[in-house]
Amino acid sequence: GEDVEQSLFLSVREGDSSVINCTYTDSSSTYLYWYKQEPGAGLQLLTYIFSNMDMKQDQRLTVLLNKKDKHLSLRIADTQTGDSAIYFCAPAASLVFGKGTRLSVIA
Amino acid sequence: GAVVSQHPSRVICKSGTSVKIECRSLDFQATTMFWYRQFPKQSLMLMATSNEGSKATYEQGVEKDKFLINHASLTLSTLTVTSAHPEDSSFYICSAIPQRGYDQETQYFGPGTRLLVL
Repeated sequence: GEDVEQSLFLSVREGDSSVINCTYTDSSSTYLYWYKQEPGAGLQLLTYIFSNMDMKQDQRLTVLLNKKDKHLSLRIADTQTGDSAIYFCAPAASLVFGKGTRLSVIA
Repeated sequence: GAVVSQHPSRVICKSGTSVKIECRSLDFQATTMFWYRQFPKQSLMLMATSNEGSKATYEQGVEKDKFLINHASLTLSTLTVTSAHPEDSSFYICSAIPQRGYDQETQYFGPGTRLLVL
């Protein structure tokens, strides 16, 4: 079945860039999503990328997709304390989430 | 590990009928459970946050009278799709956050319920 892997923790200083990486096994997805989970709250869709794109920029967010390596990354520029959350990547074709990456932003 | 179950896993119903979906945390208590729906090949969409002993909090655009949520115990939340129509056909997923014991910042997802309304 599908497998999604992410590093569990990431700690950055406020104002720095954060890069969250994700590898997946299912290559049939048309879209790949990034979700954000704030403490005690449900998942919210953060951004997504079409599988025929290499990069998508959305304000402070940049998504990079390497389809050959099945690698997806989310870059958050000028990381703020409000960005502290757990981030999940998920290929659309399967409802499989990794454990998510817990981003801690140090002021 | 923490296990969340959903029942039924699949349901087919006629238009106009109501369908109840159960979400259970099997080995932990959950004060908070979430309900999501997912259309084919689309993202998860949070429908509502279900808190034990209180009314659910619905996301904007989700009809609370259509999607009735009951969180009567610390291990069970139910979603009832009332007067279902074909456009309600979707994949419904619940998740639960442990009250204690397991990681209390992690959502544990159920396997989902596929609803088809004819």
